[in-house]
Amino acid sequence: GAGVSQSPSNKVTEKGKDVELRCDPISGHTALYWYRQSLGQGLEFLIYFQGNSAPDKSGLPSDRFSAERTGGSVSTLTIQRTQQEDSAVYLCASSLGGVLGNQPQHFGDGTRLSIL
Amino acid sequence: AQSVTQPDIHITVSEGASLELRCNYSYGATPYLFWYVQSPGQGLQLLLKYFSGDTLVQGIKGFEAEFKRSQSSFNLRKPSVHWSDAAEYFCAVGSNYQLIWGAGTKLIIKP
Repeated sequence: GAGVSQSPSNKVTEKGKDVELRCDPISGHTALYWYRQSLGQGLEFLIYFQGNSAPDKSGLPSDRFSAERTGGSVSTLTIQRTQQEDSAVYLCASSLGGVLGNQPQHFGDGTRLSIL
Repeated sequence: AQSVTQPDIHITVSEGASLELRCNYSYGATPYLFWYVQSPGQGLQLLLKYFSGDTLVQGIKGFEAEFKRSQSSFNLRKPSVHWSDAAEYFCAVGSNYQLIWGAGTKLIIKP
């Protein structure tokens, strides 16, 4: 498809386990964003990738969270030693990028993560 | 610092009634403004955007928004809502390479 693809759509895991969430951006989009959305809340920025530049990790809530983007395309968000407060929907978005902030972001349907 | 405020957490309107969702922003320069909609269990979909020019912007699904610089507002409107419009609506302003997001307004439609 032409949109942003995220997998898995749902993930249930036990506290303390590691999880990997995947995002396939729209082809040709140089910018990729990860957000977290807790139940009934707005969007919490996590990390931003733009081309080959160093990512903006300023939103990552702890060192248990990391992300990488291979070949400027697919991105993986990893959460180590998961905690119950990590339960949320993790949304990925991509855009044509640029410093002006005038490019709309296109979102995937998210991964709903539940920590037991 | 840039910020976006959506003063209404929830809004309830009757089907067929008109709708206005409020958005106020704080930004030093000419803003790039966006409205997104999030239906239950889905990601966010772009409704409309404002960059420059005509201050009344038309979007998808019959929505429009008006940019008012003097009031630092970008309110979303629809003349007649449908039950399928029940969703959460987010306003955002473009800043550098990011979007600054409002907290969202949940729209509830009464039959």
